[in-house]
Amino acid sequence: AQSVSQHNHHVILSEAASLELGCNYSYGGTVNLFWYVQYPGQHLQLLLKYFSGDPLVKGIKGFEAEFIKSKFSFNLRKPSVQWSDTAEYFCAVNALASGTYKYIFGTGTRLKVLA
Amino acid sequence: GAGVSQTPSNKVTEKGKYVELRCDPISGHTALYWYRQSLGQGPEFLIYFQGTGAADDSGLPNDRFFAVRPEGSVSTLKIQRTERGDSAVYLCASSALGNEQFFGPGTRLTVL
Repeated sequence: AQSVSQHNHHVILSEAASLELGCNYSYGGTVNLFWYVQYPGQHLQLLLKYFSGDPLVKGIKGFEAEFIKSKFSFNLRKPSVQWSDTAEYFCAVNALASGTYKYIFGTGTRLKVLA
Repeated sequence: GAGVSQTPSNKVTEKGKYVELRCDPISGHTALYWYRQSLGQGPEFLIYFQGTGAADDSGLPNDRFFAVRPEGSVSTLKIQRTERGDSAVYLCASSALGNEQFFGPGTRLTVL
C-alpha cells in the first residue's frame, strides 16, 4: 500500500533561517507529488506540484521542492523563512499506475517561525 | 462557483444519530474527494468520485459511511449511527482528474 512519511512533526525556526521539510513515499511506479499548506484558520492550498520533467520544482512564496526518484523523496525547501510561513505543511502522493486517482497525505509538519 | 463550499461548517450530534455533510465543488471539476482529518493528522482519504460514480471508496472505514454524487456535482457524505470516534473535520476537495485538488473549508463534526 502507498504511504507518505513526514519525519519532522514540529519545526521551530527564526526568521531568515533556511527550511527543509522531509517527505518520503512508498511506491515504485510513476507518481504525482504535491505539497499543500494550511495557514491558521484557512483551507488547505497547493504550494507546488511535480508531475514530470525537471525534478526541481518551484512553487508560490519562494518554496521549492526536489524530487529524487532513487530516494523516493520530495523534500520541501525555502532559503529564508518569514513569520508568515507559520503553518502546517502536508506532502501528498498520487500513484498513477495503481488504478486509482486517490491521494495519500502525510501526517503534516507544523512550522512555527519566530519573529 | 468561486471555490469548494461545504455545509454545515460545524455539526454537533449525539451518538447513534444520522448526519449528512454536503460538498459543492468547483464548477466543471469532474473529480470530487472526501477526506477525514483528525487532530495532528493529515487528511485521510475516504472516497472519490469521477462524475457520478464512486471510482474508489476503499477509504470508507465501515458500512456506516456512504457518499453519493447523483448529478456529478454536489456530493453528500452520510454517516449512520454516529460514534464518538467519528468526530473529526471532514474535508471535501475537487479537481480536474489527476491534477491539483482544491479544498473546501471542512465540516467539523462532533459526536457527543
